[in-house]
Amino acid sequence: KQEVTQIPAALSVPEGENLVLNCSFTDSAIYNLQWFRQDPGKGLTSLLLIQSSQREQTSGRLNASLDKSSGRSTLYIAASQPGDSATYLCAAPYSGGGADGLTFGKGTHLIIQP
Amino acid sequence: NAGVTQTPKFRVLKTGQSMTLLCAQDMNHEYMYWYRQDPGMGLRLIHYSVGEGTTAKGEVPDGYNVSRLKKQNFLLGLESAAPSQTSVYFCASTHYTGELFFGEGSRLTVL
Repeated sequence: KQEVTQIPAALSVPEGENLVLNCSFTDSAIYNLQWFRQDPGKGLTSLLLIQSSQREQTSGRLNASLDKSSGRSTLYIAASQPGDSATYLCAAPYSGGGADGLTFGKGTHLIIQP
Repeated sequence: NAGVTQTPKFRVLKTGQSMTLLCAQDMNHEYMYWYRQDPGMGLRLIHYSVGEGTTAKGEVPDGYNVSRLKKQNFLLGLESAAPSQTSVYFCASTHYTGELFFGEGSRLTVL
């Protein structure tokens, strides 16, 4: 059974800092891994999808890496801004390609202080 | 750009009542999912569907039923609501690429 763990559970930093959020998963036989953002009272927004053939994916100030052999992924946020405050969730397929759904970590609650 | 739409957004039920949550997607996605999100428990998969006419159980299916009569719609039913089903319910869909798109959520309270 796939299990996903995220560290830290919460993080509060001043604006402008570069951040690293960590995600680990137990079953490395995955086709992809996805990072999401959730604002309070809202749904989840997909940030980055990393295919197993890729080692990293970038979108603007966000960069996500995937190391299947160690069962780890990291989300790097450059030059953080107050608007980045949200909960960030990592998700890996229950099995293989993910047709049977994703297993989510419990998230990292991020606060960027102005 | 509607994406994934859930109705209703809020509902209060009494124990034993029944209701149906509707999820509609306009992206022609094959796969659809129902999750519930609870404090301290994270997101857990209830049921899912890999195509029109198909459904399958997820991690926490007890007390729920689903139907996928049309490709664009995925219905989640509670036949006899219990206070333990108080939660925020999220519908999601994806095509074969795996990127998952979520609705805004349906907040259900069972008294």
